[in-house]
Amino acid sequence: GAVVSQHPSRVICKSGTSVKIECRSLDFQATTMFWYRQFPKQSLMLMATSNEGSKATYEQGVEKDKFLINHASLTLSTLTVTSAHPEDSSFYICSAPRPTGGHGEQYFGPGTRLTVT
Amino acid sequence: AQTVTQSQPEMSVQEAETVTLSCTYDTSESDYYLFWYKQPPSRQMILVIRQEAYKQQNATENRFSVNFQKAAKSFSLKISDSQLGDAAMYFCAYRGGYNAGNMLTFGGGTRLMVKP
Repeated sequence: GAVVSQHPSRVICKSGTSVKIECRSLDFQATTMFWYRQFPKQSLMLMATSNEGSKATYEQGVEKDKFLINHASLTLSTLTVTSAHPEDSSFYICSAPRPTGGHGEQYFGPGTRLTVT
Repeated sequence: AQTVTQSQPEMSVQEAETVTLSCTYDTSESDYYLFWYKQPPSRQMILVIRQEAYKQQNATENRFSVNFQKAAKSFSLKISDSQLGDAAMYFCAYRGGYNAGNMLTFGGGTRLMVKP
C-alpha cells in the first residue's frame, strides 16, 4: 500500500547549523504534504502545508524563515531547520493525503527526531 | 477554528476488557470527517477508524468501534477485548469537508495502558 518515508529518522546537529528533513510519498503522488511538530507527551501541532509548485502555507506562530519548506516534486517535500537552536529539538512528522477515495485520511511518515546540542 | 478535546490524558484497562476513550469537537461545519489515530512507542501514526459526518451509522473496525453523536459533537472510541498491543497514545482528529483542505486538527491525546 501507499507509504510515506522520512529521512533521516534521527539527527543531531550543533547549535547554529541547518538540517534538512526529507519526506517522500512512495507509490503515489502528493500535491500537498503536511509538516507537524510533536513535543514529548504532547499532540501533533501542524506547522505548515507544503504545496507542490507554490509557496508553503505556514500556521500562525511558525517562523517561515526558520523552517524552510520546499515541495520540489509530486513525491518530495523537504523541511530545513535553519540556524537551529536547542529549543528546536523535537519530533518532526510529515504526512500526505491518501489519494482519491481516502476521505481525508492521511498517511504519516515515521518521523524524525531532531536534537540540537 | 475547529477544536478537538480529549478530556482523558490517561486511561487504563485490563487485558480482555473494554475501554472507551472520549473526544469532543467544536465546528460550525455540517460536512466533515473524524478519525482516531494510534501512536505506539515507535511513534508511527496508524489510522484506527474513520467516520464521515453524513453517515448516521457508527463505524466499526474489528475490535474498534465509535459512538458518533453529531448533535453533541462527540466521537468516542470503544476498544473491545483489549490487547497488550493496544497500549499507545490515541489521538482524535478532525478534518473539514471537501472545500476545507486536507489538514487535520488533533486532540491532545489519551495514553492507554493495558494491564496484563
